[in-house]
Amino acid sequence: QVQIQQWGARLLKPSETLSLTCAVYGGSFNGYYWSWIRQPPGKGLEWIGEINHTGSINYNPSLKSRVTISEDTSKNQFSLKLSSMTAADTAVYYCARRPRNSYFVYWDQGTLVTVSS
Amino acid sequence: EIVLTQSPATLSLSPGERATLSCRASQSVSSSLAWYQQKPGQAPRLLIYDASNRATGIPARFSGSGSGTDFTLTISSLDPEDFTVYYCQQRSNWPLTFGGGTKVEIK
Repeated sequence: QVQIQQWGARLLKPSETLSLTCAVYGGSFNGYYWSWIRQPPGKGLEWIGEINHTGSINYNPSLKSRVTISEDTSKNQFSLKLSSMTAADTAVYYCARRPRNSYFVYWDQGTLVTVSS
Repeated sequence: EIVLTQSPATLSLSPGERATLSCRASQSVSSSLAWYQQKPGQAPRLLIYDASNRATGIPARFSGSGSGTDFTLTISSLDPEDFTVYYCQQRSNWPLTFGGGTKVEIK
């Protein structure tokens, strides 16, 4: 059974950089796309970007200038950095897995990240 | 970017009734569209993939149809646990995009 666990800072000040990491347990890291998705409180879902095991990365153009996604395949982990955080970036951040040419089946529980001075 | 527009925003129905949710794409996504269900405090759950295929473990009362730009999620007879929010998502083009959601509420 695949499990994804996330950790990172949950309270940030404006202008700080968000750093989150997800670790994958019980399944292969290879052959999948690993995504970051966020959801502001009471709002819809926004795809941030994804990486696969070869290091190929796709970003949402709306966030591309501030986002870095990376991976450590030796640890079955992938990470998100989002710079210059503002209150508008307050959201639940999810990591999720999808096979190539498919959809998100496995998600972590999500982390509420709050940006406040 | 492909914009997905879901309608209605809110659907008020009674248990046992039929629910019909719509998702319209700003350009063709062929059949590369999925539907998710999200309950409060939980991550989304995949219901339908490639427009019309039920995901593993999803009850038969959920069905999907459509191709190109117009898609429908149908819940044939609403169970009390079905009153929540539903999202569509396309994988035809990057960036991957989600619709704004439809909330199915108890009338």
